[in-house]
Amino acid sequence: AQTVTQSQPEMSVQEAETVTLSCTYDTSESDYYLFWYKQPPSRQMILVIRQEAYKQQNATENRFSVNFQKAAKSFSLKISDSQLGDAAMYFCAYKDFGNEKLTFGTGTRLTIIP
Amino acid sequence: DADVTQTPRNRITKTGKRIMLECSQTKGHDRMYWYRQDPGLGLRLIYYSFDVKDINKGEISDGYSVSRQAQAKFSLSLESAIPNQTALYFCATSADLRDSYTGELFFGEGSRLTVL
Repeated sequence: AQTVTQSQPEMSVQEAETVTLSCTYDTSESDYYLFWYKQPPSRQMILVIRQEAYKQQNATENRFSVNFQKAAKSFSLKISDSQLGDAAMYFCAYKDFGNEKLTFGTGTRLTIIP
Repeated sequence: DADVTQTPRNRITKTGKRIMLECSQTKGHDRMYWYRQDPGLGLRLIYYSFDVKDINKGEISDGYSVSRQAQAKFSLSLESAIPNQTALYFCATSADLRDSYTGELFFGEGSRLTVL
C-alpha cells in the first residue's frame, strides 16, 4: 500500500525567509501524481502545487516550488519570501493512475513569525 | 458561491443519533468523495462515487453510508453516531478521466461533527 510521510509536524519561519517542508512516499508504481495542499484556519483545502511523476522538471507556482526526487521518493515543498498568509497546515498527497484514493500525509503546521 | 458546498458546517450531536452531512457541487464533475480528517492522521477516504449508480467503499467505510442523489449531490450518513466519529468531514470532487484529468481534488469547506 502507498504511504506518505511528513516527518515535520511543525515548522516555523521568519517572514520573508525561505522554508522547505519535507515529504517522502512509498510506492511501486511508476506513474502517479503528487500534490501539496494548504489548509488555512478557514479549514478549506487548497491545492498549492501538483507534479506528475513522468515529468522530470520540478513544478513551480509563483513563490512555491518543489524538489521532486523520483528515485529517492521525495517531494519537498519550498516556500520563498514567506508571507503571513502562508501560515497553515500543509499536506502532501499521492495518487496513482489505478487508484481512486488520494493518500495524504499527516501534515506539517507552518507558522510565520513576523 | 463555493463550487463545493457542505452542510452543516458544524454539528454537535449525541451518541446513537442519525446524522446526515450533505454535499452539492457546481463544478459538473462526475467523481465525488467523502474524506475524514483527524488530528495527526491526515485525511482518509470513506466513500467515493463515479456517478449516480456507482458507489464504492474507501478505507474507513464502517459505520457510514452514502447516497448519490444526483450528479451534483452526495450525502454521507452516520446511522448511529459514536464519539470516535468526531472529526472534520470533507466532500471533494474531481474531473473525469475524459476531461483533462489532473488528479486534483476540489474540496468543500468541511463539516465539523462532534459526537458527545
